[in-house]
Amino acid sequence: QQQVKQSPQSLIVQKGGISIINCAYENTAFDYFPWYQQFPGKGPALLIAIRPDVSEKKEGRFTISFNKSAKQFSLHIMDSQPGDSATYFCAASRSSTGTASKLTFGTGTRLQVTL
Amino acid sequence: DTGVSQNPRHKITKRGQNVTFRCDPISEHNRLYWYRQTLGQGPEFLTYFQNEAQLEKSRLLSDRFSAERPKGSFSTLEIQRTEQGDSAMYLCASSFGGLGTEAFFGQGTRLTVV
Repeated sequence: QQQVKQSPQSLIVQKGGISIINCAYENTAFDYFPWYQQFPGKGPALLIAIRPDVSEKKEGRFTISFNKSAKQFSLHIMDSQPGDSATYFCAASRSSTGTASKLTFGTGTRLQVTL
Repeated sequence: DTGVSQNPRHKITKRGQNVTFRCDPISEHNRLYWYRQTLGQGPEFLTYFQNEAQLEKSRLLSDRFSAERPKGSFSTLEIQRTEQGDSAMYLCASSFGGLGTEAFFGQGTRLTVV
């Protein structure tokens, strides 16, 4: 049972454009929603995370939008750069049980930023 | 200590052989997680430790898999009688535990069973 659905599977964006990746979750007990960035041959690295008590969080060019009632959250990358080309994973966990790092991941979005 | 370290980075083994991977977490982290990632998929949780205690195991972790974390420091993941379906990237992550703390991932061990 896939508890976190992610789309699109792949995305091509021009340099300077906005990249948008969407995720939907099923388990209402999830209360911690991070996004990870993974380059080939590397492990995932935390990019930005949000809790359901806020609807938006921004860090630099990266913004998470969160819709609790729809059980959806999305990552927006503003002014996308070629160096942003990587695979992005959304994830969710139950931090209230002290297991924030026991993550359920989406299937990933391969982002390519072209010149 | 610059991060989570995993060894080896790559392992090719014949079907039926046993393999063991090692993870050295960030030294002050008390929680250690193992994940498996197959090509084109997100990582899937396998098991986690708080200090030396193994607190949870996923149904994905068959009887052929065993993980240990003696003395609450490094951890090993052993796969016995490997099968081709075990081919994947095995990722280790560590964290402080508690609420909302970041999981730091290692670079993974890529296992290929031939």
